[in-house]
Amino acid sequence: QKEVEQDPGPLSVPEGAIVSLNCTYSNSAFQYFMWYRQYSRKGPELLMYTYSSGNKEDGRFTAQVDKSSKYISLFIRDSQPSDSATYLCAMIQSWGKLQFGAGTQVVVTP
Amino acid sequence: EAQVTQNPRYLITVTGKKLTVTCSQNMNHEYMSWYRQDPGLGLRQIYYSMNVEVTDKGDVPEGYKVSRKEKRNFPLILESPSPNQTSLYFCASSLSRDQPQHFGDGTRLSIL
Repeated sequence: QKEVEQDPGPLSVPEGAIVSLNCTYSNSAFQYFMWYRQYSRKGPELLMYTYSSGNKEDGRFTAQVDKSSKYISLFIRDSQPSDSATYLCAMIQSWGKLQFGAGTQVVVTP
Repeated sequence: EAQVTQNPRYLITVTGKKLTVTCSQNMNHEYMSWYRQDPGLGLRQIYYSMNVEVTDKGDVPEGYKVSRKEKRNFPLILESPSPNQTSLYFCASSLSRDQPQHFGDGTRLSIL
C-alpha cells in the first residue's frame, strides 16, 4: 500500500464548476501538506502549503487538512480552462521526508 | 527572477554513455534534490543534499550519482545509463527540508 493515495482521474468538469481533489495518507508522521499544479512539459508549481488541520484559502483555491482522518483536499472555485493541469498532493514527515501522490489530471471544458 | 534551471531539457542517448544533467538555483537555498517522474508512479526522489558536500540517497538512487561542491549547483550523473532510466527528471530546491520545494522545468531523458 502506498503511503499517499491520490486518484489519477481524469476529472472532467465544465467551466465555472467547483473542482474537488483529495488525497489520503496512512502515516501520522506527515506534518506539512502541499498542493502543486503541473502543466504539460513544465515542473510542478506550488499552490498551497499548510501544516495544521483546518482550511486555508488563497483566491479561488481552498486547501483542507483533516489530520484525524488522514485526508487532505483542494477545492478550486469558478474553474477556468486554464486550470486544466495535473494536481499533485505532497506531504512532509516530521523529520523531513517528502512524499508525493501520483497526481490527478483535471480537464476544465469551456 | 527566482528559478531552478536544468540543462539539457531533452536528451536522447545510448546505453552506457555517461551523461550529466546540470541543475542550478539562484535563491540561495540549502536543500536541493532530484526526482524522476514516471506514469502511474508519480515523483520519486533520487538523491538530496542538505548543504554543500552533504548528500544522501532518496528512494531510487541506484544507477545515479550526485555532487554538491557549490551551494547553487547540484548535478545528476548517470555513469552508465540504461533504458530503465528513461524518464522525466526534475531538480528542486528549498530553504530547508521541511519547506516547499521549487522545481525546474524538467529534463526528458531517452536512453536507447
